[in-house]
Amino acid sequence: DTGVSQNPRHKITKRGQNVTFRCDPISEHNRLYWYRQTLGQGPEFLTYFQNEAQLEKSRLLSDRFSAERPKGSFSTLEIQRTEQGDSAMYLCASSLGLGGDTQYFGPGTRLTVL
Amino acid sequence: GDSVTQMEGPVTLSEEAFLTINCTYTATGYPSLFWYVQYPGEGLQLLLKATKADDKGSNKGFEATYRKETTSFHLEKGSVQVSDSAVYFCALSADANDYKLSFGAGTTVTVRA
Repeated sequence: DTGVSQNPRHKITKRGQNVTFRCDPISEHNRLYWYRQTLGQGPEFLTYFQNEAQLEKSRLLSDRFSAERPKGSFSTLEIQRTEQGDSAMYLCASSLGLGGDTQYFGPGTRLTVL
Repeated sequence: GDSVTQMEGPVTLSEEAFLTINCTYTATGYPSLFWYVQYPGEGLQLLLKATKADDKGSNKGFEATYRKETTSFHLEKGSVQVSDSAVYFCALSADANDYKLSFGAGTTVTVRA
């Protein structure tokens, strides 16, 4: 297994456009997480899935953000009507699903909103 | 809420020097503690972790001990190399039933030959 993959790696869009990112977790991992990281800061939790169920969403995840994991495998994160403040690195991670277990991170998708 | 505070950087030191990066946490329960590292151009990867008080995590010459009495998880390495240049993040998950990670702001370490 090659680890967590994310696509695209970079996305430049104009304000007001919609964007969608994809994350493919490590195949046997039940949990999938999305984080956002801005320059000079640590990642901030956005949401996570246990299999296909979205179990928790951060207050950071406004109504313009939606995440899905339809078959408990890959996940998508969509941002509607993007704003300049959405510019950040969006990180995906996955884990086996045990308390305190290791989360394995993907390389991230860097979003720039012009 | 639960959070971590880590030493501000950047930190610059010479090869073979001793490295310490301080990390303290605030948590209401019994968190698990982690150090993640981000090498230039690469993604976040786990460096070490500890899941209960007095546990010591270690990897690649780095160590950190989970100190409940001082709510700390300081990262140390006795002799750094140029290849240790990276951004280091302290993180916690609040308890065994809370899976999200709360990260510190990161500390940039540069090791000069």
